[in-house]
Amino acid sequence: NAGVMQNPRHLVRRRGQEARLRCSPMKGHSHVYWYRQLPEEGLKFMVYLQKENIIDESGMPKERFSAEFPKEGPSILRIQQVVRGDSAAYFCASSSFDTNTEAFFGQGTRLTVV
Amino acid sequence: AQKITQTQPGMFVQEKEAVTLDCTYDTSDPSYGLFWYKQPSSGEMIFLIYQGSYDQQNATEGRYSLNFQKARKSANLVISASQLGDSAMYFCAIYPQVNSNSGYALNFGKGTSLLVTP
Repeated sequence: NAGVMQNPRHLVRRRGQEARLRCSPMKGHSHVYWYRQLPEEGLKFMVYLQKENIIDESGMPKERFSAEFPKEGPSILRIQQVVRGDSAAYFCASSSFDTNTEAFFGQGTRLTVV
Repeated sequence: AQKITQTQPGMFVQEKEAVTLDCTYDTSDPSYGLFWYKQPSSGEMIFLIYQGSYDQQNATEGRYSLNFQKARKSANLVISASQLGDSAMYFCAIYPQVNSNSGYALNFGKGTSLLVTP
């Protein structure tokens, strides 16, 4: 799973600022998934993207959160006007559509809102 | 909708012993996949083992095996010969088989914290 790269590993933001989390999928993978892990909880699905398309955003909060996966470059999860409740670990996973028996996760970005 | 239940918030096991981590699930999907992940204190999610709902045999990967009982909707993880490095959080997850529209999204349980003692 070392192939899925997330940065930064740790991010501190003041309330009201914007947070940008990046995810570079494994080579050859065109599917990206974002999950959020609150303290003492399992991971919760947020959004599923393919290149230039949002396929399923049913887990995304309706406001302040957005995600993209451009043709070139990493997938970005953006949180605008962060609040303390956004503090969590955000994980990205990637897959190749043909090999869905494994889901490779990045190391996560730990967002702390102060 | 799919749901995973892990009823053991914490478990202890002595080094070299075997331990079973419980996982039950609920789904209306005709086919699905079950995963186990390990999350050490460093935070990364490490894939351990996968079981497809139509697989005839229980999955095994080294010291990990999955005790899959479809009728009971359980997918317990068995770790044999525990090592100190096995101390971590363990998460069970389920997803529907891939369809052409939505790929998959894993649904995770709340996890079980395993502590291996010398």
